[in-house]
Amino acid sequence: SYELTQPPSVSVSPGQTARIACSGDALPKQYAHWYQQKPGQAPVLVIYKDSERPSGIPDRFSGSNSGTRVTLTINGVQADDEADYYCQSADSSGISWVFGGGTKLTVL
Amino acid sequence: EVQLVESGGGLVQPGGSLRLSCAASGFTFSTYTMNWVRQAPGKGPEWLAYISGNSNTKFFADSVRGRCSVSRDNAEQSLSLQMDGLRVEDTAVYFCARGPPGMVVANWFDLWGQGVQVTVSS
Repeated sequence: SYELTQPPSVSVSPGQTARIACSGDALPKQYAHWYQQKPGQAPVLVIYKDSERPSGIPDRFSGSNSGTRVTLTINGVQADDEADYYCQSADSSGISWVFGGGTKLTVL
Repeated sequence: EVQLVESGGGLVQPGGSLRLSCAASGFTFSTYTMNWVRQAPGKGPEWLAYISGNSNTKFFADSVRGRCSVSRDNAEQSLSLQMDGLRVEDTAVYFCARGPPGMVVANWFDLWGQGVQVTVSS
């Protein structure tokens, strides 16, 4: 089955830039989306279609796609950004959707 | 208020069945695709099922295909998931999640319910 690979953890100091990567073979042809999840809460969409930002999401959050690797970038990290982040995309069929294993962002 | 509210979770014995419901409000339900997503304890989310706005198109994850059906009632603004042959590994929080409007070109989840716990145990 198709898999998206993320690093288990990323740590940054407040005000710094966090970059969370996600790799998958089908990413050159399928959009990637990103979610933030805090403990006990449902995931929240922060980036869709590689780089689009839903209304209400701060412009500190941005996304990029470079072939088989997509990246979520959070500029000026704040303490409130500490959460698990998941990438999500489709396999090569386009009709089966998977999530990455998640990256825990720690704000030092 | 734009929201999704799930119901129907609980404790089920292995081999049993469960029907989950999701009530939508605050948006034109019929124009949006809908999905079910679950999250096992300590794990990432797992997409389970997709249904188009007019119910004509449905897709399922390999892990639940054949044990699972999805339906919607646009007049009632509700979504349902029927799961049979439940296994211990089906234990998870189950979320309904809104997908994009229109035909599926890409699928992302911009609105989630609060989730409902399903525990499969003897």
